[in-house]
Amino acid sequence: EDQVTQSPEALRLQEGESSSLNCSYTVSGLRGLFWYRQDPGKGPEFLFTLYSAGEEKEKERLKATLTKKESFLHITAPKPEDSATYLCAVQADSNSGYALNFGKGTSLLVTP
Amino acid sequence: DVKVTQSSRYLVKRTGEKVFLECVQDMDHENMFWYRQDPGLGLRLIYFSYDVKMKEKGDIPEGYSVSREKKERFSLILESASTNQTSMYLCASSGAGVRDTQYFGPGTRLTVL
Repeated sequence: EDQVTQSPEALRLQEGESSSLNCSYTVSGLRGLFWYRQDPGKGPEFLFTLYSAGEEKEKERLKATLTKKESFLHITAPKPEDSATYLCAVQADSNSGYALNFGKGTSLLVTP
Repeated sequence: DVKVTQSSRYLVKRTGEKVFLECVQDMDHENMFWYRQDPGLGLRLIYFSYDVKMKEKGDIPEGYSVSREKKERFSLILESASTNQTSMYLCASSGAGVRDTQYFGPGTRLTVL
């Protein structure tokens, strides 16, 4: 059965303290791995898509990387406005049609 | 920019009522999705549609039905609302490609009393 596990569940950082969020997956045939940001009470906002091992994408203070078993979301010198829940989702050959399997998310709090 | 809108941000209904949640997208996307999100359980797919009048069940379709009469609009129907359907409901849309990104609406927080 396909599984997506995110760790840690929650992370508290001081402003400027860099760290990484992890998304490990076991799927049969990865089509794509997606990262989203979700603010409280709002819908997920798309950040990145990664398709193959070794791929990296960057946006401002965020950098996403992908291996054959996991993806990391690196946050460099975070600011309080980076506080949110970060969701990882995978699309696999075993998914019916276009479905995504989501992890449960990492709740990030960045304090001044 | 992709825009997905949902008819209500907050909704309170009584047990047994029929509930309609509406979703509209303005990007001419072929695919549309309904998820529910619950603490500790993450996002779970209820139904999706890959074309007008076409639908497929997701992981948790029981107690729900959907309707897609026009390409831009996808409705989720709770035939007889129950308290265990209290949740955050999220609509998403994507293009026709299998790897196309899903873009989400703002969500509807539904409470069933």
